[in-house]
Amino acid sequence: AQSVAQPEDQVNVAEGNPLTVKCTYSVSGNPYLFWYVQYPNRGLQFLLKYITGDNLVKGSYGFEAEFNKSQTSFHLKKPSALVSDSALYFCAVRAVEYGNKLVFGAGTILRVKS
Amino acid sequence: GAVVSQHPSRVICKSGTSVKIECRSLDFQATTMFWYRQFPKQSLMLMATSNEGSKATYEQGVEKDKFLINHASLTLSTLTVTSAHPEDSSFYICSAREEGDTEAFFGQGTRLTVV
Repeated sequence: AQSVAQPEDQVNVAEGNPLTVKCTYSVSGNPYLFWYVQYPNRGLQFLLKYITGDNLVKGSYGFEAEFNKSQTSFHLKKPSALVSDSALYFCAVRAVEYGNKLVFGAGTILRVKS
Repeated sequence: GAVVSQHPSRVICKSGTSVKIECRSLDFQATTMFWYRQFPKQSLMLMATSNEGSKATYEQGVEKDKFLINHASLTLSTLTVTSAHPEDSSFYICSAREEGDTEAFFGQGTRLTVV
């Protein structure tokens, strides 16, 4: 099974509407979970991470993510999407079983239309 | 967040030549640096991990003699693509992590085109 799965290649949402970008993971133990965003021809920008503690993590640019251990999910959310949020989003996991290296999902393109 | 600077952002080189890409951590000491390769519309593929002062650890299938990595200081790592060929054309991204930190920070990426 994929260690990190982003089941949607693309998510389309209207500006002002809430958005969700899905991520599930399949590693043992207590992994660290991350979300990054990538704009065209640029590197990755860190959005947020879950290490321990509150399941709801707040990050940059109004994004948040909810860690759900029973569902092994870490979906990225934002209450009100902006056109400027349109980008490629990567979920990543860091776990002992992967040598503490970041393992990335395939990425999800988010398109926000005005 | 911490800043990682990668240079150059774009490079075009002739087949058979070598190209060096630099990755610098500007405001922290990067005990570990990572080099990734990204194909169009695909995820990042880890090529190698380097710790300051030691040899890089390459992922399976990555030719260490072709992709030379040097991490001589706590703020600088370099990737040299030797004897480049058109199939080496790709987007290369570095990231850096300070010892004890949980997240890594990424450079802006380098678009390499081999003609």
